[in-house]
Amino acid sequence: DAMVIQNPRYQVTQFGKPVTLSCSQTLNHNVMYWYQQKSSQAPKLLFHYYDKDFNNEADTPDNFQSRRPNTSFCFLDIRSPGLGDAAMYLCATSTYGTLAKNIQYFGAGTRLSVL
Amino acid sequence: AQSVTQLDSQVPVFEEAPVELRCNYSSSVSVYLFWYVQYPNQGLQLLLKYLSGSTLVKGINGFEAEFNKSQTSFHLRKPSVHISDTAEYFCAVILSGGYQKVTFGIGTKLQVIP
Repeated sequence: DAMVIQNPRYQVTQFGKPVTLSCSQTLNHNVMYWYQQKSSQAPKLLFHYYDKDFNNEADTPDNFQSRRPNTSFCFLDIRSPGLGDAAMYLCATSTYGTLAKNIQYFGAGTRLSVL
Repeated sequence: AQSVTQLDSQVPVFEEAPVELRCNYSSSVSVYLFWYVQYPNQGLQLLLKYLSGSTLVKGINGFEAEFNKSQTSFHLRKPSVHISDTAEYFCAVILSGGYQKVTFGIGTKLQVIP
């Protein structure tokens, strides 16, 4: 059973048209992450939530925003997508303070195309 | 800060042959180590992890890895690969203690040749 679910799996948007990617989890983990992965590259952390606390990476463009309305859901908003934002976007979750030792569980990803 | 080096960007290997994917890390403190596998157009799946204890860890799909502290390595091995093992493999490290972010290597593409 899928524990970290990302919707949609494939998203096509137009240059400059806002787009939202969603992630939900059934693990009740308190930490949720968003990564950007371009072709043949390692995932790059954009930001994460520790409970309701938002933590942005220093080099994440302002074009990328995130919302976490509750424990189960987290959204990635791209306000004005450019061609360079075409990538796979991965959501991950982890729990803190247990024997799980911050192991991250990933969703299947959303592949974003920008036309 | 910690870093992860995956020395081989691509590894071709014939089906049923053994394979080793190399991973080295650098850190001034103790770490937890992971291997993730990513199939085409999929997310990352945890293959195995080293947290503590036995330095030889076994994972899913017949993979295993050995933590070598003196050589700061965590190489991934499989004695006999299958076509379905064709994927990209990422080594990752987290600093032990507290809440820390993951550092990924750049990945190794394993191509199994029939």
